[in-house]
Amino acid sequence: QKEVEQNSGPLSVPEGAIASLNCTYSDRGSQSFFWYRQYSGKSPELIMFIYSNGDKEDGRFTAQLNKASQYVSLLIRDSQPSDSATYLCAVSFSGNDMRFGAGTRLTVKP
Amino acid sequence: ETGVTQSPTHLIKTRGQQVTLRCSSQSGHNTVSWYQQALGQGPQFIFQYYREEENGRGNFPPRFSGLQFPNYSSELNVNALELDDSALYLCASSWDRGETQYFGPGTRLLVL
Repeated sequence: QKEVEQNSGPLSVPEGAIASLNCTYSDRGSQSFFWYRQYSGKSPELIMFIYSNGDKEDGRFTAQLNKASQYVSLLIRDSQPSDSATYLCAVSFSGNDMRFGAGTRLTVKP
Repeated sequence: ETGVTQSPTHLIKTRGQQVTLRCSSQSGHNTVSWYQQALGQGPQFIFQYYREEENGRGNFPPRFSGLQFPNYSSELNVNALELDDSALYLCASSWDRGETQYFGPGTRLLVL
């Protein structure tokens, strides 16, 4: 079974802090990794994707991938209350079978 | 806004009924994937359509079926509805079976 695991949270950080969200996956053949943000009652919104080992930065967001450890993370710098949402990690095994974790609920307190 | 639209936004059905959900992909996208998201869970892949053909299917029974039309819009049909089918149904579009997918707003289905 190809699994994607995330801590369900809630993860609470103060405004301005760094939020660190983690995800592990079971299939070593995974090729592509995605982070989605989902506000309550809304659909997932793509934040970032990463394909290669290392870091990828986009504004306040940094995705980190370590294929040897089967681990992908998302760092949110200078967290804002508007970042409060559920963050979904998604892993693509074959291009047409995207697997999602259950999500980590993040709360940023003013 | 992703440009992906879904209808209806909400739907209430009873057990045993059939339902059809609709999705219009983002302009230029020829691939549509459907997902089921139960409360508190991540989306689960149902199937994907590419150029009017099914291109992969998740672990869902045959009573979940779909179509894609020449304009790349898509339908999800669910027969013999069960209580556990209550969920948010999401479609996502992409270009050429690409993994970078953009979600529509979803259809919330309640089965009583």
